[in-house]
Amino acid sequence: AQSVTQLGSHVSVSEGALVLLRCNYSSSVPPYLFWYVQYPNQGLQLLLKYTSAATLVKGINGFEAEFKKSETSFHLTKPSAHMSDAAEYFCAVSEMAGSARQLTFGSGTQLTVLP
Amino acid sequence: NAGVTQTPKFQVLKTGQSMTLQCAQDMNHNSMYWYRQDPGMGLRLIYYSASEGTTDKGEVPNGYNVSRLNKREFSLRLESAAPSQTSVYFCASSGTGGRGRNEQFFGPGTRLTVL
Repeated sequence: AQSVTQLGSHVSVSEGALVLLRCNYSSSVPPYLFWYVQYPNQGLQLLLKYTSAATLVKGINGFEAEFKKSETSFHLTKPSAHMSDAAEYFCAVSEMAGSARQLTFGSGTQLTVLP
Repeated sequence: NAGVTQTPKFQVLKTGQSMTLQCAQDMNHNSMYWYRQDPGMGLRLIYYSASEGTTDKGEVPNGYNVSRLNKREFSLRLESAAPSQTSVYFCASSGTGGRGRNEQFFGPGTRLTVL
């Protein structure tokens, strides 16, 4: 089974600073990888996804992630944090298990943006 | 399009009571999923349905049952609620083309407290 590890359950950055949220995966096959964002009291919203077309993936709200096969990583970055980026972020890997494609989620990283 | 809708948004139960969480999607997706979200544990799959008429257990199925009523609707039932089932429940759906590239779309969640 595949797994996802998100290093750092809580990350704080100052407004305008670089955001870096870490995600490492384990997979025996080329993975499909996703980043989701969850704002308070809401469901999950897709930020971006890696589907093997390009290693640098751009998403919504200025976020991007780079797939590095040698490091089994898919870290999420944003050059300049905004107060509205405060949320919880989840990395997930897609795998075929049972009769359907399933997502395995990391435990999440809570991002706090300081004024 | 409403996407994925869930009812109710909030629910308080007493131990031993039963209830059904409702989920519907209007995106003509084949696959539907039920997750629970607990602090520090990410999302864990309870049950899923690869297509109309099929259901399968996920990672944490004990204490739950599901029904795929039709292509649009997928309900989750707690027959005898326990305090350990206090959680936030999310329904999601996805298409099945794209060989795993398809993201899942999430509903807004149901916040359940069992006293």
